[in-house]
Parts: sequence; structure tokens; C-alpha cells
Amino acid sequence: SAVISQKPSRDICQRGTSLTIQCQVDSQVTMMFWYRQQPGQSLTLIATANQGSEATYESGFVIDKFPISRPNLTFSTLTVSNMSPEDSSIYLCSVGTNTRGELFFGEGSRLTVL
Amino acid sequence: GDSVTQMEGPVTLSEEAFLTINCTYTATGYPSLFWYVQYPGEGLQLLLKATKADDKGSNKGFEATYRKETTSFHLEKGSVQVSDSAVYFCALRGSNDYKLSFGAGTTVTVRA
Repeated sequence: SAVISQKPSRDICQRGTSLTIQCQVDSQVTMMFWYRQQPGQSLTLIATANQGSEATYESGFVIDKFPISRPNLTFSTLTVSNMSPEDSSIYLCSVGTNTRGELFFGEGSRLTVL
Repeated sequence: GDSVTQMEGPVTLSEEAFLTINCTYTATGYPSLFWYVQYPGEGLQLLLKATKADDKGSNKGFEATYRKETTSFHLEKGSVQVSDSAVYFCALRGSNDYKLSFGAGTTVTVRA
């Protein structure tokens, strides 16, 4: 298993600003992902965070809006840029230790954009 | 691409009732299948999993069997408790890209 710490756990942000969410894992992991859960909705994959290279984004998500860094095998950041109220969501970091097992999730970062 | 179709709720039951939540999938190859649970105010937790056909995952009285012939992974529990009130997500992990795709989620409320 893996223990994932996310910061901040919650924040209230103003429209037009940017916020960076950090994800720290207690062990080296091969796969890291960022998900979004909008209010009352399911989880949607934003991107796969690749160590040492650019993230792989899902359809509908772009690097300018959601830049991601992954400098090593235990840490990643997701920035939500130029926020609008539609970005109010829970953002979750997720990691996998093999190709067929479960993904582990952090507690999430709850963003409210005013 | 890979996808999961999950019975949507909300579902309201009395304590000790039988619960079933239907989940079917579309995928190439041989995916792994999961049920995750999200209790009120908490994060997402793995409930059970199955990584190959005919596997049965079980945990906390919940069961689900990986049925390749019907592309299904239905969740069942014989006697629910109030503490089972939560949102349940069926999920699939593809054998090609290793991403986890989620169903819409089913909100279950168990009344005493």
C-alpha cells in the first residue's frame, strides 16, 4: 500500500488566481495520477503525472490550465490556473504500485472558487 | 475506450435488507475491476477487487464476481447496516494504459 498526503486539504480562492496542490507519497511509486471530483459527481482523470517528463492529459484538460510537475517518484504538484467558479471541486492524487492492482487515493484537496 | 456503466441511485434500504448494485463494463483485453467506497466526509477507499475472470472479491460482507461472459461486476451484500451508507463506485483499470475509469457512483442510504 501507499500513504498519500495532500496539501492543502481545502482552500477558498478568488476568481482569476492560481493554486498549487502538493502530493507526497511515503514510498516510491511508478504511477501517479490526478483526478477531479466535481460536487455530487464521479471521478474524472485529469492527467497522468510522468516522472521527469511532461504529463499526459486526458481529453478536455490542457497543460496551460492544469500544469503538473513530477520531479521524482514520491512527489507531484497540480496547479489549477486562472480559476473560475467552475473549478470548484475536490482534486485527488492517486498512485499505483503495479499495473493490475488498485490505485491508492489521497484525502483530496477541496477547492472553492468565489 | 474503456468504460464503466453503473446503476445510479439513490438507493434507500432498511437495515438487514439485501443490497445489489449493478456494474457492467466495456474494455479491450483483460481489465482489473474494483469497487471503491466513499463514506460521508471521507476519502475514497478500496472496498474489493478482482483482477481476472471468475475471481470473487470480498470485504466487510460485500462480494462481487468478475464475469467476463456478461462483462459485469455486480456488488452484493446480504444484510446491510446503517454504517454501510455511502457512495459506491465501480471502477475499471485497463490492461493497456493502466488508468482507472470510474462509474457514475451510487448513493446508498440505509435506514434503521
